[in-house]
Amino acid sequence: EVHLVESGGGLVKPGGSLRLSCAASGFTFSTHSLSWVRQSPGQGLEWVASITSSSSVKNYGDSVKGRFTISRDNAKNSLYLQMNSLRAEDTAVYYCVRRNQMLSGDYYFENWGQGTLVTVSS
Amino acid sequence: MQMTQSPSSLSASVGDRVTFTCRASQNILTYLNWYQQKPGKAPDLLIYGASTLQTGVPSRFSGSGSGTDFTLTISSLQPEDSATYFCQQGYSTPYTFGQGTKLEIK
Repeated sequence: EVHLVESGGGLVKPGGSLRLSCAASGFTFSTHSLSWVRQSPGQGLEWVASITSSSSVKNYGDSVKGRFTISRDNAKNSLYLQMNSLRAEDTAVYYCVRRNQMLSGDYYFENWGQGTLVTVSS
Repeated sequence: MQMTQSPSSLSASVGDRVTFTCRASQNILTYLNWYQQKPGKAPDLLIYGASTLQTGVPSRFSGSGSGTDFTLTISSLQPEDSATYFCQQGYSTPYTFGQGTKLEIK
């Protein structure tokens, strides 16, 4: 069974930094692309970033580009999100997600962690 | 790319047939996915590729559509289907979600 467990969330002041981690198990970590998806309180879902299995390709949403960095350590079965220059609008639950792809090309989010809450407030 | 879901909420009775709609702002072929989210929980994948049922999802759920217009149907509503349903386009980054449809059981 696939397990994704996020950690590292908490309260941070505007302009501050935070690093989220995701520990994965139950699948061959090094062969799967992964993503971060966030959800603001009471709001919808927003894709944040994705990284391919070998870290060769990283993509970011426009609202976090230049401030957030996605990375992974295949030896440790871990995914990370370094968040800098945090803003109030970054307040959300951040989910670690295993991304999959159909042969036709459709990208979808197959497995989700339970999420970790990041609150940006002074 | 914008994804627009309708309605934003609906109320139905156990046993009803329920349909949700998702519209993309441009052609996304069949690269459309549906998720179910219950309060306080992470979303669960229901359908990918517009019509392929994820393993373990009850057969009362089905999806259809291509291009810009898509539907998610629950053939016979069950009490445990009370949740918010999101669509997501997997055609290109940034992957975008619809705003969700909240389903209430009468």
